[in-house]
Amino acid sequence: ETGVTQSPTHLIKTRGQQVTLRCSSQSGHNTVSWYQQALGQGPQFIFQYYREEENGRGNFPPRFSGLQFPNYSSELNVNALELDDSALYLCASSLGGTQRDIQYFGAGTRLSVL
Amino acid sequence: DQQVKQNSPSLSVQEGRISILNCDYTNSMFDYFLWYKKYPAEGPTFLISISSIKDKNEDGRFTVFLNKSAKHLSLHIVPSQPGDSAVYFCAAILNAGNMLTFGGGTRLMVKP
Repeated sequence: ETGVTQSPTHLIKTRGQQVTLRCSSQSGHNTVSWYQQALGQGPQFIFQYYREEENGRGNFPPRFSGLQFPNYSSELNVNALELDDSALYLCASSLGGTQRDIQYFGAGTRLSVL
Repeated sequence: DQQVKQNSPSLSVQEGRISILNCDYTNSMFDYFLWYKKYPAEGPTFLISISSIKDKNEDGRFTVFLNKSAKHLSLHIVPSQPGDSAVYFCAAILNAGNMLTFGGGTRLMVKP
């Protein structure tokens, strides 16, 4: 077990709605990254937060946004949901602020958009 | 455009034999590579990494080989065990970048 917890585990939304996913980092970690994993594919990097600031972003539109809190937990917000947003969303925590650090992943939130 | 590719979606190996998982990349600016393993209903877990200044890195039963001229890396598991059955992802990071790019994964099945 990695100590990274995500909630909820499953979620069903309709197109156009907004969703907030939550991630609690491993104790002592100051960096959190979010990934989207579509069925049968590898995870795709959405963004990374280091000490409450975004310090890296993948090729995702602005309707994907995030927050990192002073206790280093994090939220991923997705506005105006589209059918293609259906995926497993993974968060990972690490210590060091770069993607080269070993990342500890949560089990993910499965989002279905109908 | 997939910059990191794992061309074998699945691999089946007998227990005790060697498992070789392959990964190809297209961007020569990648300078750090990692392998993660994923069991069903769990998040990926880190296995092993290698910097582009090396061509081999070993950790117990796991060895990663990097061939920069061919833009190819491979993960060797010797001997393979049934508990190694999982999906394996290779990932790469650009020099001076901060974005992990994953391949599509290879499902390894180790038969007892």
